[in-house]
Amino acid sequence: GAVVSQHPSRVICKSGTSVKIECRSLDFQATTMFWYRQFPKQSLMLMATSNEGSKATYEQGVEKDKFLINHASLTLSTLTVTSAHPEDSSFYICSATRLAGSLYEQYFGPGTRLTVT
Amino acid sequence: KQEVTQIPAALSVPEGENLVLNCSFTDSAIYNLQWFRQDPGKGLTSLLLIQSSQREQTSGRLNASLDKSSGRSTLYIAASQPGDSATYLCAVSWGGAQKLVFGQGTRLTINP
Repeated sequence: GAVVSQHPSRVICKSGTSVKIECRSLDFQATTMFWYRQFPKQSLMLMATSNEGSKATYEQGVEKDKFLINHASLTLSTLTVTSAHPEDSSFYICSATRLAGSLYEQYFGPGTRLTVT
Repeated sequence: KQEVTQIPAALSVPEGENLVLNCSFTDSAIYNLQWFRQDPGKGLTSLLLIQSSQREQTSGRLNASLDKSSGRSTLYIAASQPGDSATYLCAVSWGGAQKLVFGQGTRLTINP
């Protein structure tokens, strides 16, 4: 099956610093990638939709200048949390979609645990 | 607004019982619906994917049904085992946009 990786799996950073999270589709080219965040004991909330070579589309309430998304290739999208604060501490999960015939299939990465101290 | 709701939020049952998890969604014009499993601190494991043209999907002890007209899906787990303990998430995609809207999840505990 299709595999999506995320790096790092865990990161601890100090308040005010920036953190980059990578999402890679390892064995397929992703038509679209998505970034979600999940607070403890809550569900996943979509942050943004990322297409290769174009600007990301952010969901309402998500600050595009704080959460920078770069989708440089069909297999790599990055999320940079700029000037991180403790309230940005969360579990960030990416997903990548693949077109299988006429249907889209979405595959999720294992997630990145961000802790801002 | 397109929303997904899961009931109950938590469920605890003895080992061996059959159980049903519920998912409801607004707007019946879905593209597909997926059920996921999430263990504490981990990512998502896809369990079953139902396309809008399908009514159910089965995998082992799991069966997911879809009723678009009523805006509901159920996940049936047969002969539950302690290893089934996890949070189960329902997610819906509308209109081929691919992005998923997740329910709040049902935290399932199977007691030995």
